[in-house]
Amino acid sequence: EAEVAQSPRYKITEKSQAVAFWCDPISGHATLYWYRQILGQGPELLVQFQDESVVDDSQLPKDRFSAERLKGVDSTLKIQPAELGDSAMYLCASSAMGFRELFFGEGSRLTVL
Amino acid sequence: GENVEQHPSTLSVQEGDSAVIKCTYSDSASNYFPWYKQELGKRPQLIIDIRSNVGEKKDQRIAVTLNKTAKHFSLHITETQPEDSAVYFCAASDRNSGNTPLVFGKGTRLSVIA
Repeated sequence: EAEVAQSPRYKITEKSQAVAFWCDPISGHATLYWYRQILGQGPELLVQFQDESVVDDSQLPKDRFSAERLKGVDSTLKIQPAELGDSAMYLCASSAMGFRELFFGEGSRLTVL
Repeated sequence: GENVEQHPSTLSVQEGDSAVIKCTYSDSASNYFPWYKQELGKRPQLIIDIRSNVGEKKDQRIAVTLNKTAKHFSLHITETQPEDSAVYFCAASDRNSGNTPLVFGKGTRLSVIA
């Protein structure tokens, strides 16, 4: 069964350092999402791509976060510089168009010291 | 934008009893309401979903009801089992306007006591 791939699974970094997360969606899924999940809370959208275009990045802290999906397939989420409050699980998800299920990856757990 | 409220935040039931989790949403344009289950350390996975043209949907021990007028929907789990213990998230979105992202509730931690 096809799955959304994410790496790394775990990342520990010091504040002010740069971090990057990678996501490979299910083949054929045009829509890709990055969500952030703080421990004990629901996922919150950071950015949504439709193919290579950003559809919604209204909740992305653009002073330190950036995301790209250059060829409309895999995607990278970057944080520079990382802050203590960025510690969270970063979940990537993808879906086909319409009333279709979001498939989540295993997530990348970030700890900022 | 959409806002989804979920209650309760924690729920403990005896094995075999029923569990009910409730959510409300704010955007009347929302028409797709999925429920995700997240076990400890694992990814959220869809367990059931409902569209706004349907009032109720069942899948074995799981059912979801939707009241569009009141803007609330509920998850019902009957004959609970220890493996039902997890965090459950409701979500809402408008799937007619492209792939509007899901807005999630804060989750309900369900514990089924054997």
